[in-house]
Amino acid sequence: ETGVTQSPTHLIKTRGQQVTLRCSSQSGHNTVSWYQQALGQGPQFIFQYYREEENGRGNFPPRFSGLQFPNYSSELNVNALELDDSALYLCASSFGLNRPQHFGDGTRLSIL
Amino acid sequence: KNEVEQSPQNLTAQEGEFITINCSYSVGISALHWLQQHPGGGIVSLFMLSSGKKKHGRLIATINIQEKHSSLHITASHPRDSAVYICAVTFGNEKLTFGTGTRLTIIP
Repeated sequence: ETGVTQSPTHLIKTRGQQVTLRCSSQSGHNTVSWYQQALGQGPQFIFQYYREEENGRGNFPPRFSGLQFPNYSSELNVNALELDDSALYLCASSFGLNRPQHFGDGTRLSIL
Repeated sequence: KNEVEQSPQNLTAQEGEFITINCSYSVGISALHWLQQHPGGGIVSLFMLSSGKKKHGRLIATINIQEKHSSLHITASHPRDSAVYICAVTFGNEKLTFGTGTRLTIIP
């Protein structure tokens, strides 16, 4: 059984740039959630996709956007990067809503 | 104010000790999760529960819905248990709301 994989593992960008982070869900999982974890903090919910439709969004500006593809893989896009966007971005997949979530190892994004 | 509170924030114990980490939340939930995060970031889901008690190996999770409180216990703790343990809840809208975590260090 393939777990949740995220790419890249590390990324360095500068302010104003755009970034795309990718997540491959665990086999059979149709739900994916994205989280931002700043250093020393707990993760914060960004948004969730269920069967390719957005199913809830946290308190993040519109420059954070996402996609879920027919194979249930997912992307997180962030435009106009700011220094405060430096964080670990975690993706988690589940088989349906309100089920145990399986997390990837995250992408560590640094903004210079 | 965080809707999910954990205590203690940091816990250091000797190998073999019985460990308890606590989590309290402010309003009714649909489910509570206990997660383990190792240095480097990877998160492992330990338990998801909405009532009662669950056990897996040396780990036990309990929840008291009336008191809005959950505990994670580790028996016969081992240095490899050293990690950050995070409590997270869903309030019915499916998103996870996380506590700030408890950093556990087990000394050999």
